[in-house]
Amino acid sequence: GAGVSQTPSNKVTEKGKYVELRCDPISGHTALYWYRQSLGQGPEFLIYFQGTGAADDSGLPNDRFFAVRPEGSVSTLKIQRTERGDSAVYLCASSFLAGRSDTQYFGPGTRLTVL
Amino acid sequence: RKEVEQDPGPFNVPEGATVAFNCTYSNSASQSFFWYRQDCRKEPKLLMSVYSSGNEDGRFTAQLNRASQYISLLIRDSKLSDSATYLCVVNIGQGGKLIFGQGTELSVKP
Repeated sequence: GAGVSQTPSNKVTEKGKYVELRCDPISGHTALYWYRQSLGQGPEFLIYFQGTGAADDSGLPNDRFFAVRPEGSVSTLKIQRTERGDSAVYLCASSFLAGRSDTQYFGPGTRLTVL
Repeated sequence: RKEVEQDPGPFNVPEGATVAFNCTYSNSASQSFFWYRQDCRKEPKLLMSVYSSGNEDGRFTAQLNRASQYISLLIRDSKLSDSATYLCVVNIGQGGKLIFGQGTELSVKP
């Protein structure tokens, strides 16, 4: 079946602009996660949703970052007033449930470049 | 101190070699443990979960030492296709939040 999909695959923007990154999880998966990965580093947790609600947003770096999942399926990560330090690959993952042993399946990521 | 620490490598080994990766984690409340594999410019994929009793999947063996807060991955008879970055991952809470190490790069040469 279809895996996790993310759009766009690449996004180049200028400092100070607003961007939205979209994630389509695997059908039927109730949990959805956002991570970001900088070059040479492992993915860093940002936020996860159980259904429509954010169950843990402790990884969001500041209030410029916001994510929604209004219908419990597709999610959008929104970044306001982008900074050069926001440049990274933003990964989305989904799992059937949000348990600690549930396998997370990752999408291909959105490569964000802030000029 | 990082929550999950790994030697970044790179490890350069010939085909057929046995290679071992180590990882330490700092939070004793960590509940679940995994190794993920990430190919260049691709997404991470689960390689295997790690259990206290140790577990094996073909050429791959993972072990966990809770007392030392140490996780290992052993790859026997390395193949060219094993070349990738191996990420050590822990889950601390009841939910799905994963904490990743920096990753260890493996390059298997003919």
